[in-house]
Amino acid sequence: AQSVTQPDIHITVSEGASLELRCNYSYGATPYLFWYVQSPGQGLQLLLKYFSGDTLVQGIKGFEAEFKRSQSSFNLRKPSVHWSDAAEYFCAVGPQGGSEKLVFGKGTKLTVNP
Amino acid sequence: DAGVIQSPRHEVTEMGQEVTLRCKPISGHDYLFWYRQTMMRGLELLIYFNNNVPIDDSGMPEDRFSAKMPNASFSTLKIQPSEPRDSAVYFCASSSRTGGPQETQYFGPGTRLLVL
Repeated sequence: AQSVTQPDIHITVSEGASLELRCNYSYGATPYLFWYVQSPGQGLQLLLKYFSGDTLVQGIKGFEAEFKRSQSSFNLRKPSVHWSDAAEYFCAVGPQGGSEKLVFGKGTKLTVNP
Repeated sequence: DAGVIQSPRHEVTEMGQEVTLRCKPISGHDYLFWYRQTMMRGLELLIYFNNNVPIDDSGMPEDRFSAKMPNASFSTLKIQPSEPRDSAVYFCASSSRTGGPQETQYFGPGTRLLVL
């Protein structure tokens, strides 16, 4: 069965510092991988997605993620964090096998210190 | 585009009452998803529809939950009777799979449900 693990429940960084959020997945085939962001009181917004091709994917708001098949990882990065990046970030995998399901990780809450 | 619209945004009800959550997907999208988000369980898919037909309802917790999609522009999620453990944020999302499974799911703002 598909599963997604986000090992870090909460991360705090200083504004201007670099950021890396970890995501590991378990999947039986070539995965479709997504990163979503949820600001407080809001729905989820897609940051970026990977489904084939170049393993380094660029997204909105200056985010990027790298797919590493050998490590079953899809980590999200940003070189310089802004205060407005404070939010919760969700990694997701899917769909597969004719199902349209996305399986989400539990999320990583990002706090940005001034 | 107005995006996915959900109503109400907040709902407070008493245990045993019927609760109806509503969703209007993005026009032209043929998939609609209902999710539930809690601190304990994270984001869970409850049910999804394709062209108004329920495809997978394996995530629906129990018979107290039901979902309908009478037409392409409207869906409801109903809880009857409601219980305190149903308190959560319920999201609706829609997508168009014309481009394949990598297409994006667009989420609504959610309905925050509190059952007292």
